[in-house]
Amino acid sequence: DTAVSQTPKYLVTQMGNDKSIKCEQNLGHDTMYWYKQDSKKFLKIMFSYNNKELIINETVPNRFSPKSPDKAHLNLHINSLELGDSAVYFCASSQVAGGFIQYFGAGTRLSVL
Amino acid sequence: KQEVTQIPAALSVPEGENLVLNCSFTDSAIYNLQWFRQDPGKGLTSLLLIQSSQREQTSGRLNASLDKSSGRSTLYIAASQPGDSATYLCAAYNAGNMLTFGGGTRLMVKP
Repeated sequence: DTAVSQTPKYLVTQMGNDKSIKCEQNLGHDTMYWYKQDSKKFLKIMFSYNNKELIINETVPNRFSPKSPDKAHLNLHINSLELGDSAVYFCASSQVAGGFIQYFGAGTRLSVL
Repeated sequence: KQEVTQIPAALSVPEGENLVLNCSFTDSAIYNLQWFRQDPGKGLTSLLLIQSSQREQTSGRLNASLDKSSGRSTLYIAASQPGDSATYLCAAYNAGNMLTFGGGTRLMVKP
């Protein structure tokens, strides 16, 4: 049973479209994250939510809007997709905020054409 | 702002060798240092977490050390196996609930 699951695994779309990536964790964790891994493989934090509340928003364009309907879900909606948004997006969760081990999903590979 | 660097970027060794992966960070005010493994097309798997008050952590053939004063951590892999082939990432956890990742070391262990 997958601990942190993301859907879809692959997403190919045209510039200007709006798309969403879903993330769910069944670990009972309070904190969830979105990371972006670019073509050079650097992994950077985008957002962090603790118990449905935003605690980190790391210089991400406002075309990206995370939504946490409950603490087990953190979805990422992207408006007006651009070529530079092409990357692998990873969702993660940890027991609470504060340096605990983070458990990662398998990633969503987004290709914007 | 924390910056994390990993050297080398890629490493190829024959099976059975002991090897060391290096990680350096610029801000020594870390809460912990974490090592992850990433397999192609997969997510990250946590390997070891060293608290700032600790000097090292061990798990099986893996041993990670931490020297906050010099801003360095090393991951030692003993008796490497082809199954160890992956990208290894270190990440420093600072105040503000942020993990800052290095660029990774891509390891290939040849049979």
